[in-house]
Amino acid sequence: KAGVTQTPRYLIKTRGQQVTLSCSPISGHRSVSWYQQTPGQGLQFLFEYFSETQRNKGNFPGRFSGRQFSNSRSEMNVSTLELGDSALYLCASSLEDRDSYEQYFGPGTRLTVT
Amino acid sequence: GIQVEQSPPDLILQEGANSTLRCNFSDSVNNLQWFHQNPWGQLINLFYIPSGTKQNGRLSATTVATERYSLLYISSSQTTDSGVYFCAVERTGGGSNYKLTFGKGTLLTVNP
Repeated sequence: KAGVTQTPRYLIKTRGQQVTLSCSPISGHRSVSWYQQTPGQGLQFLFEYFSETQRNKGNFPGRFSGRQFSNSRSEMNVSTLELGDSALYLCASSLEDRDSYEQYFGPGTRLTVT
Repeated sequence: GIQVEQSPPDLILQEGANSTLRCNFSDSVNNLQWFHQNPWGQLINLFYIPSGTKQNGRLSATTVATERYSLLYISSSQTTDSGVYFCAVERTGGGSNYKLTFGKGTLLTVNP
């Protein structure tokens, strides 16, 4: 079974632009979560989508948004990019079976904002 | 939200040595995972262990849920074990604003 995939892997954007990142979960997984990793703040939860609905949201400004499609693929969007948005963005999927909440991570998208 | 503390923050070993990494958490959890982050940033699943003990080769983990801690054991360490190890938890009961909450990690360096 294929793992979680993320595209693109690397991205360079200019301050003020917007960016869209994509995540395809493991087949059959309906929950997709997004995380941001920076040297200063570590790994932080952004939001989670389940069956096309945002189920949980972390403490990030409204510039960070996401959505999930009927095939469980998810996208996250960051508008009006700031230098501090430079980070590794990780996507994770889980089966959400009552016997297991285990999450599986993709390789990440490394975003650089100049 | 739930607090996750990992210790030690840094650990330097000689190849062949054993080590124990600790993860303390502040609330009951329905998910606890240990990850190894590779040099390219990907989080590699080591254990899904909200309670009990598991072993996988030279690695093993124990979670004592009632006392809110988990331990990751690495035996006969190899240079390829180097990297950052993360503990992450999800609080029981839902209603949380967080999925996985991560600790700050333990940076392990194994010297030849």
